[in-house]
Amino acid sequence: QSALTQPASVSGSPGQSITISCTGTSTDVGHYNYVSWYQQYPGKAPKLIIYEVFNRPSGVSNRFSGSKSGNTASLTISGLQADDEADYYCSSYRTDVSVVFGGGTKVTVL
Amino acid sequence: EVQLVESGGGLIQPGGSLRLSCAASGFNVSSNYINWVRQAPGKGLEWVSVIYSVGSTYYADSVKGRFTISRDNSKNTLYLQMNSLRAEDTAVYYCARGGHSYGDFDYWGQGTLVTVSS
Repeated sequence: QSALTQPASVSGSPGQSITISCTGTSTDVGHYNYVSWYQQYPGKAPKLIIYEVFNRPSGVSNRFSGSKSGNTASLTISGLQADDEADYYCSSYRTDVSVVFGGGTKVTVL
Repeated sequence: EVQLVESGGGLIQPGGSLRLSCAASGFNVSSNYINWVRQAPGKGLEWVSVIYSVGSTYYADSVKGRFTISRDNSKNTLYLQMNSLRAEDTAVYYCARGGHSYGDFDYWGQGTLVTVSS
């Protein structure tokens, strides 16, 4: 059960847009539209920010958007703000009914 | 308000057993799918197990045969029985409620730390 592949870190200046990629295989990201994204601050539990590739839960800023092409999903944060500095994880449902997470991406606001 | 509160973590020797609990409020554990997700110190998230509303259960390969997920509907509580613990099981264990479809978790507990060490 190999993890999804995410860049270890991404950075941007306030107001800019950044994109985090999440690459899986034909048995997870490429098979289902069940890709989710989570934001996690140090010492805190993760928070769901995107589900089913591009849907936002109630209360999540529309600065967060998701997409998918083939085996790769992406999270875009637009209008980068200081409090966006956190770790971000993607996840996908798999054909063997398990769930796999990405290794996580640390977002730094310069 | 939906809340999940884990308990039962602690220091345990390799080969030992531990049972984690996750007390739910604001919804019925019998009506949702509930997961355990863990995070080793300084590492990423790892899905561990799920129990669906119909009672079916699934496990990550890394814990299959050693961990058992269950629930007590009368107590609205989820459990994770962990046997034959290894050093690599050291992590913060979160319970997380299944959200809108498959594989997304909309509410998480605060986590409980399990340390496997002699």
